[in-house]
Amino acid sequence: SQTIHQWPATLVQPVGSPLSLECTVEGTSNPNLYWYRQAAGRGLQLLFYSVGIGQISSEVPQNLSASRPQDRQFILSSKKLLLSDSGFYLCAWSVLAGRGNEQFFGPGTRLTVL
Amino acid sequence: AQSVSQHNHHVILSEAASLELGCNYSYGGTVNLFWYVQYPGQHLQLLLKYFSGDPLVKGIKGFEAEFIKSKFSFNLRKPSVQWSDTAEYFCAVNAGWDGGYNKLIFGAGTRLAVHP
Repeated sequence: SQTIHQWPATLVQPVGSPLSLECTVEGTSNPNLYWYRQAAGRGLQLLFYSVGIGQISSEVPQNLSASRPQDRQFILSSKKLLLSDSGFYLCAWSVLAGRGNEQFFGPGTRLTVL
Repeated sequence: AQSVSQHNHHVILSEAASLELGCNYSYGGTVNLFWYVQYPGQHLQLLLKYFSGDPLVKGIKGFEAEFIKSKFSFNLRKPSVQWSDTAEYFCAVNAGWDGGYNKLIFGAGTRLAVHP
């Protein structure tokens, strides 16, 4: 069966520090991968998605970047964190085929920028 | 741009009460619709989905949703809620097929609290 992992589970970082959040998927090949940010009362906002190694699409302009160095690994990064980067970050995957495939979500990372 | 509206941000019910959570979307093309649920401390997980066919969709834990195309709605229902249904519920719309990926547009979510 497929599983999705995210780490760390929680992170507290000072403003201006770098960030690296990791997401890995097991039990499937060539998935679509997604990074979302969840803010209270605002639902989930899609930040990045990837359809293959090295292929990243950004949905919103921001202080963050994403990379996909391996088929089942998706990394969210920042060179210098802002206070506004605080939030709950979710990684998700879906099958790379078919219209409207459901997405499967990881446990998330709670990031607090102080 | 596509958008999804969930009308109730917070709902409080007593056990055995009936539940209906509203969801409306703005997209004129063919849509796929989803309800996700996030129980306290757990992953976001799929409750039910609509792709085509019967507009009344049944999901896990006694939930169902009805797709009404003319009203651009996909409301979630449960005839009798339990304390264990306390969670946050998200409606989502697939923005369409495009080159091998699909994007989900999420509503803001509804927090449901069920009191014994």
